[in-house]
Amino acid sequence: EVQLLESGGGLVQPGGSLRLSCAASGFSFSSYAMNWVRQAPGKGLEWVSAITSGGSGTYYADSVKGRFTISRDNSKNTLYLQMNSLRAEDTAVFYCAKEYNWTPRGAMDVWGQGTTVTVSS
Amino acid sequence: QSALTQPASVSGSPGQSITISCTGTSSDVGAYNYVSWYQQHPGKAPKVMIYDVNYRPSGVSDRFSGSKSGNTASLTISGLQAEDEADYYCSSYTGSSPHVIFGGGTKLTVL
Repeated sequence: EVQLLESGGGLVQPGGSLRLSCAASGFSFSSYAMNWVRQAPGKGLEWVSAITSGGSGTYYADSVKGRFTISRDNSKNTLYLQMNSLRAEDTAVFYCAKEYNWTPRGAMDVWGQGTTVTVSS
Repeated sequence: QSALTQPASVSGSPGQSITISCTGTSSDVGAYNYVSWYQQHPGKAPKVMIYDVNYRPSGVSDRFSGSKSGNTASLTISGLQAEDEADYYCSSYTGSSPHVIFGGGTKLTVL
């Protein structure tokens, strides 16, 4: 079964850090680009970051550029999102999502169940 | 780049057809055939319904179809069913930063 399982969410104070993980199974992880997409409470979807299949290409939304870092370990079939300098407006459910292709273009065919990040003092 | 523009809500009766529009610019929707549509039920993860403008993933009902004209993409759902009631989001590749943008979402109500 094709599956993505996020972890690492939680409550963090403003200015703090968290690292999200997304464990992939059931498909050839190293062949596909991956994304992080978030959804603030009661709001729509917001694309956060993407990475090419081999990891050489990384892309970020302006709202997280310089604070978040996407990476992947193809030997462990795992995607990561290192989040630093967290702000209240980063509070959201974070989803990892698999692309149809080796390079990201917004066509995401497999999604995880999401992990909740709450930034509050 | 700003988010793609979608109507906040649409509604239809069972059996009817509805269309949800997604308007971007000549730098995103109009420039690439990389528009996707996602369905999201409350408390659930999004599910892809259409990708690359008009490709339907296996397992998605053929009642769902996608198209594009200029800077506007559209999702049409024919033969509305109660289970179609959900939020729908479009997305587009931009070729620049941000790499991908979403629409604000459309709430579909089946009357």
